[in-house]
Amino acid sequence: AQRVTQPEKLLSVFKGAPVELKCNYSYSGSPELFWYVQYSRQRLQLLLRHISRESIKGFTADLNKGETSFHLKKPFAQEEDSAMYYCAPPVADDYKLSFGAGTTVTVRA
Amino acid sequence: EAGVTQFPSHSVIEKGQTVTLRCDPISGHDNLYWYRRVMGKEIKFLLHFVKESKQDESGMPNNRFLAERTGGTYSTLKVQPAELEDSGVYFCASSQDRDGVWVGGELFFGEGSRLTVL
Repeated sequence: AQRVTQPEKLLSVFKGAPVELKCNYSYSGSPELFWYVQYSRQRLQLLLRHISRESIKGFTADLNKGETSFHLKKPFAQEEDSAMYYCAPPVADDYKLSFGAGTTVTVRA
Repeated sequence: EAGVTQFPSHSVIEKGQTVTLRCDPISGHDNLYWYRRVMGKEIKFLLHFVKESKQDESGMPNNRFLAERTGGTYSTLKVQPAELEDSGVYFCASSQDRDGVWVGGELFFGEGSRLTVL
């Protein structure tokens, strides 16, 4: 079964500082991974997906197959980045996602 | 375009009572999912509908939970009888990609229904 681990429950950084959210997964096939985000009083929504190789709101995530990691990074955190972030790999051959426990990020002025 | 809508947004019931949560997916989305987040824990998959059929209900905790999706449109999740440990936020999501999320499919979530069992 697919497993995802987000080791940090809480992460607090100052505005302008780099932020990195860790995500480790276990998956035997070729992984497709996503990061979802939930801002205060908003819905859980897709932030970015591995396959797109894109940068969204300044965030990037690199898939490291050797370390089985998909860490989310942003070089300069902004206050509006304060939110709960979930790493999400798909579950084997099924059409569903599983989510990590989430990391709450607080960006302080 | 309307997003995924869930009702009620918050329900407070006594142990042993029944609660029914409703989800209206985005129009045209064949895939409908139910997830649950219990306080401090991860968001856990409950089940997945493709149109009106249950594709996967491996995450349903026990037979006190019953999900339906009549006509392949909206879905209901009934908890009967409710227990204290059922408290949490129940999320519904829908997606259009039938080929599987790992080819770029995206789940669209509702705002969630918070259930409190006293």
